[in-house]
Amino acid sequence: RKEVEQDPGPFNVPEGATVAFNCTYSNSASQSFFWYRQDCRKEPKLLMSVYSSGNEDGRFTAQLNRASQYISLLIRDSKLSDSATYLCVVNVGTNAGKSTFGDGTTLTVKP
Amino acid sequence: GAVVSQHPSRVICKSGTSVKIECRSLDFQATTMFWYRQFPKQSLMLMATSNEGSKATYEQGVEKDKFLINHASLTLSTLTVTSAHPEDSSFYICSARALTGELFFGEGSRLTVL
Repeated sequence: RKEVEQDPGPFNVPEGATVAFNCTYSNSASQSFFWYRQDCRKEPKLLMSVYSSGNEDGRFTAQLNRASQYISLLIRDSKLSDSATYLCVVNVGTNAGKSTFGDGTTLTVKP
Repeated sequence: GAVVSQHPSRVICKSGTSVKIECRSLDFQATTMFWYRQFPKQSLMLMATSNEGSKATYEQGVEKDKFLINHASLTLSTLTVTSAHPEDSSFYICSARALTGELFFGEGSRLTVL
């Protein structure tokens, strides 16, 4: 079993739809969590950190469920420009610890 | 936000030559940097973890003598692909981890070995 797992998709949704991705992790010692976005042939860029209390940034909402060991990303009112691959990153330990990526979930938003 | 600079962005070389890629954190110190490889339409593959002042930790299946990593300072890590062959052609990306735990990525280096 992979340490961090994501549904690879692809998710194909119409503009304006709400879409949610989950990312499960196996190490209960995981301490920090992030969502990244990667466009084709580009490097990943930080989308948002995931806080224990959940956090929202415009149309994007991230949540953490420690009991079930998963994080989620909700995108409301999808735009064409949201089409990308979304990666979750889970850190175990502090600065010297390990960062593990999911394989990414591909989203395509269609007109 | 934090910036990580990677150079060169594109390199074409002949088979058998060595290529060095630099990764610099421009506005923060990074004790840990990571090197990845990504083939078209595939996910990022972690190659190694680079720790300042110590030897890199390589992932299983990655040849440490072929992919030399040096992390001589808190702001610079280098990856050298030695005796490159066409199958080494790929998109190589580095990232640096800030104290907050976030990873900041370089722009990537596209290597083509002829």
